[in-house]
Amino acid sequence: EPEVTQTPSHQVTQMGQEVILRCVPISNHLYFYWYRQILGQKVEFLVSFYNNEISEKSEIFDDQFSVERPDGSNFTLKIRSTKLEDSAMYFCASSRQMNTEAFFGQGTRLTVV
Amino acid sequence: AQSVTQLDSQVPVFEEAPVELRCNYSSSVSVYLFWYVQYPNQGLQLLLKYLSGSTLVKGINGFEAEFNKSQTSFHLRKPSVHISDTAEYFCAVSIMNTGFQKLVFGTGTRLLVSP
Repeated sequence: EPEVTQTPSHQVTQMGQEVILRCVPISNHLYFYWYRQILGQKVEFLVSFYNNEISEKSEIFDDQFSVERPDGSNFTLKIRSTKLEDSAMYFCASSRQMNTEAFFGQGTRLTVV
Repeated sequence: AQSVTQLDSQVPVFEEAPVELRCNYSSSVSVYLFWYVQYPNQGLQLLLKYLSGSTLVKGINGFEAEFNKSQTSFHLRKPSVHISDTAEYFCAVSIMNTGFQKLVFGTGTRLLVSP
């Protein structure tokens, strides 16, 4: 069964460093998303991506964040200069169309020290 | 803006007992409603969704939910739970014209099923 895969499962980084979280969405999906969950808090929407551009983003998704689909299969989230408060579980998701089910990956736990 | 409230952070229940996980939402526009489940060390999996039509929605693994517009609720139920249902359950909404985009999640309810 096709699935969304995320790497790495856990990443530890120093404050101020750049980090790239990687996702491989399901191959025939057209919409891609990033969500995050700070420990003990809600899962929050970050950004949606369609046709090689951002279609929606939240207030959390500021200039420190960027997304890219560099090669037609990967979908990445870059945090330019990590802060302690960026520590969270980051989930990637994809859907075939806007109104079809979004499938989530297992998440990447980012720890900023 | 939309918001979702899951009043119970944890629900302990014995195997084969019925369970209800509560979800209330707030929105000034019409919404789609979802329940997702997260098993340990796994991603979020869609249990069921309400887009339109019958207010009683059946999902996977014997779960069902009822959309109640007047009470702005979408409670999840199962008549008889199994040990394997132990997981975190998330209620979510999105406004109708965004489909599955921009889901707004609740804080989650941990269901603990014991023998």
